[in-house]
Amino acid sequence: QKEVEQDPGPLSVPEGAIVSLNCTYSNSAFQYFMWYRQYSRKGPELLMYTYSSGNKEDGRFTAQVDKSSKYISLFIRDSQPSDSATYLCAIKRWGAQKLVFGQGTRLTINP
Amino acid sequence: DAGVIQSPRHEVTEMGQEVTLRCKPISGHDYLFWYRQTMMRGLELLIYFNNNVPIDDSGMPEDRFSAKMPNASFSTLKIQPSEPRDSAVYFCASRRHPQGGATNIQYFGAGTRLSVL
Repeated sequence: QKEVEQDPGPLSVPEGAIVSLNCTYSNSAFQYFMWYRQYSRKGPELLMYTYSSGNKEDGRFTAQVDKSSKYISLFIRDSQPSDSATYLCAIKRWGAQKLVFGQGTRLTINP
Repeated sequence: DAGVIQSPRHEVTEMGQEVTLRCKPISGHDYLFWYRQTMMRGLELLIYFNNNVPIDDSGMPEDRFSAKMPNASFSTLKIQPSEPRDSAVYFCASRRHPQGGATNIQYFGAGTRLSVL
């Protein structure tokens, strides 16, 4: 079983829609949760970071963590064509340096 | 800061040839990570260094792969001999040692797209 599972998509939605991206993980030892955004032909860049259950907002982006279900989500409100990218969840154990990445979901926002 | 710099951006080589990928981390960062990204396996950690010392190379697929970090501003990933299944995008990332409640942000380079024919 993979340590983190993410639906690779692709996911295509109209501009202005609310987007929901999700990952599940298998081990409760993972305590740090991140979302990276990767544009085509670029390296991943950190979008959101959290280490606690609940919601964290940053502008149009909300990261949600449910540790009891081992489920993490990223919501994008008022989606824009510029949000079109691959979104990767990443998880990390306390005290570890290694990030474990999900497969990535390719998202397209259609004007 | 220019960010993490990788070279070359693209590399096309023939099976059996030696390939060397290069990385310059962000100045002041003391962790350096090498990743490989493929459609099938996603983004996988190959090896990481702390203060130029290799700490965990358990992700290196086989002995054909080697990585070095001779100083704080330069690292190489070498594949010898290369095989078609090594075709992938290779990323280098660097990070400052977290202080207090600092986040674990890894900053990625733009990657090297390797094609082994």
